[in-house]
Amino acid sequence: GQSLEQPSEVTAVEGAIVQINCTYQTSGFYGLSWYQQHDGGAPTFLSYNGLDGLEETGRFSSFLSRSDSYGYLLLQELQMKDSASYFCAVHRDDKIIFGKGTRLHILP
Amino acid sequence: NAGVTQTPKFRVLKTGQSMTLLCAQDMNHEYMYWYRQDPGMGLRLIHYSVGEGTTAKGEVPDGYNVSRLKKQNFLLGLESAAPSQTSVYFCASSWHDEQYFGPGTRLTVT
Repeated sequence: GQSLEQPSEVTAVEGAIVQINCTYQTSGFYGLSWYQQHDGGAPTFLSYNGLDGLEETGRFSSFLSRSDSYGYLLLQELQMKDSASYFCAVHRDDKIIFGKGTRLHILP
Repeated sequence: NAGVTQTPKFRVLKTGQSMTLLCAQDMNHEYMYWYRQDPGMGLRLIHYSVGEGTTAKGEVPDGYNVSRLKKQNFLLGLESAAPSQTSVYFCASSWHDEQYFGPGTRLTVT
């Protein structure tokens, strides 16, 4: 089976940096991805880690450590528009299984 | 390109009624997925398909059936709707490791 754990809510200040963690327990795992979802919208792809290490895309970075069964999403220079839910997802066989999501609140 | 589209956007059913949700993609993707999203539960995989004519069960397949007769379409059927199937349903297609989601269908079963 598989399970993913991520915090249900995180609060940060505009302009700051925030890290959203994701731990997983799954067999046959081959990658970890992150998605963003604004209220009332559809999830949109942010990043994918197939190998250990850091992937950077603009203000967003994602990290994976297979030995620790752990990954994180790092958001820098937070903007109010980053207020959303963020989901980690494991890739296993032909399936992509999502965590329950982290609601990010940004304070002005 | 329209990307991934879903029909209908909203629907209200009575318990026991049946309906089909349609997902269409114009990106020539092989893989397609159906998820349901409930408050606090994230996205849960219902069924998926790795190509035309194939389907497979996901995490929560009970009460749903699917068909992939054409590569661009993935249909989700509810044969006898139950209040527990009240949810937002998302379809997605994927290219390599990135999933593209449709806008969702909000279904209420009374």
